[in-house]
Amino acid sequence: EVQLVESGGGLVKPGGSLRLSCAASGFTFSSYSMNWVRQAPGKGLEWVSSITTSSNYIYYADSVQGRFTISRDNAKNSLYLQMNSLRAEDTAVYYCAREGSGWLNYWGQGTLVTVSS
Amino acid sequence: EIVMTQSPATLSVSPGERATLSCRASQRVSSKLAWYQQKPGQAPRFLIYDASTRATGIPARFSGSGSGTEFTLTISSLQSEDFAVYYCQQYNNWPLTFGGGTKVEIK
Repeated sequence: EVQLVESGGGLVKPGGSLRLSCAASGFTFSSYSMNWVRQAPGKGLEWVSSITTSSNYIYYADSVQGRFTISRDNAKNSLYLQMNSLRAEDTAVYYCAREGSGWLNYWGQGTLVTVSS
Repeated sequence: EIVMTQSPATLSVSPGERATLSCRASQRVSSKLAWYQQKPGQAPRFLIYDASTRATGIPARFSGSGSGTEFTLTISSLQSEDFAVYYCQQYNNWPLTFGGGTKVEIK
């Protein structure tokens, strides 16, 4: 069974940093591109970032470009999102998701990030 | 960036009735469109890819159609577990973009 478990969320002050992790199991992690998607409270889904299998290609939404860094460790079956210079508008539930061929076919349960003073 | 627009924002339907949800892309995305279902407090659930192919385990009452810029998700006979928010997503171009969602509620 495919499982994705996010961790690392919490309360952080504006301008602060946080590192999210996503532990993957039940599939060959190194064979799939992975993504982060977020959802602000009461709002819709917003794609954040994507990383290919060997980290050769990385993509970011304009809203996080230059502040967030996606990475992965295939030996540890883990995906990461380093978030710096956090803003109030980054407050959201952050989901990691496994990619099919552009679609996102497995999602974790999410971790809540709250940016507030 | 390709903007995805879903309509209506809210759809009120009685159990057993058909629901038709629309998704429009601001540019052509071929058939590179997916649909997701999300219930309160849960992660999105993958329903359909390539505009019309159901994901594994998705009931046949869910069907998708369309290509180019106009897409439709149809739920042929709504069950109680189908009341949720539905999102479309294009994957023809970066960045990946989602529609704003359609909430299907009980009439």
